[in-house]
Amino acid sequence: AQSVTQLGSHVSVSEGALVLLRCNYSSSVPPYLFWYVQYPNQGLQLLLKYTSAATLVKGINGFEAEFKKSETSFHLTKPSAHMSDAAEYFCAVSGGNTPLVFGKGTRLSVIA
Amino acid sequence: EADIYQTPRYLVIGTGKKITLECSQTMGHDKMYWYQQDPGMELHLIHYSYGVNSTEKGDLSSESTVSRIRTEHFPLTLESARPSHTSQYLCASSEWGRVSEAFFGQGTRLTVV
Repeated sequence: AQSVTQLGSHVSVSEGALVLLRCNYSSSVPPYLFWYVQYPNQGLQLLLKYTSAATLVKGINGFEAEFKKSETSFHLTKPSAHMSDAAEYFCAVSGGNTPLVFGKGTRLSVIA
Repeated sequence: EADIYQTPRYLVIGTGKKITLECSQTMGHDKMYWYQQDPGMELHLIHYSYGVNSTEKGDLSSESTVSRIRTEHFPLTLESARPSHTSQYLCASSEWGRVSEAFFGQGTRLTVV
């Protein structure tokens, strides 16, 4: 079985500051990990995914995440926050050909 | 353009009514999913399908039912809507493959009064 835990339901950063959203996973098989973003009244959009090819994964909009097996983590970062980054962010895990299991989400606020 | 579509986007309906939420995708994906998203943001898998005539219940118990008669179409039905069914419903699809991500529709926000 797979599960993810997102630490912090709400994160607030200043514009231009580092964004760090935390995700820890649990999986009985090698995991496949994903980060999604959701804007108000929209569906989810894929930011990036970990496929075991590389531990540092680069995604869209300047986001990246690093897979750390020893820490069972897949934290999402962006060096400099922009106002347009304000949204809900979801970490998800799959064990392969199984449906994605999502974390509870983290709301990111960006302060001007 | 390949995409996944959900209709209606918003629905307000009275208690006891039968409703069907539509979901269609033009990407040729075999796998389709329904997630329920509560006001606290968390997504719960309620139904999924790996192909025509294949449907499974997800982790969250739901009174809704689904059907998969055509690859591109995965409707969700509530026979008798109740206020407890008020939520956002998200449809998604993915292709076969161990690292295949899910593509999401824009969602249907259902309010039962």
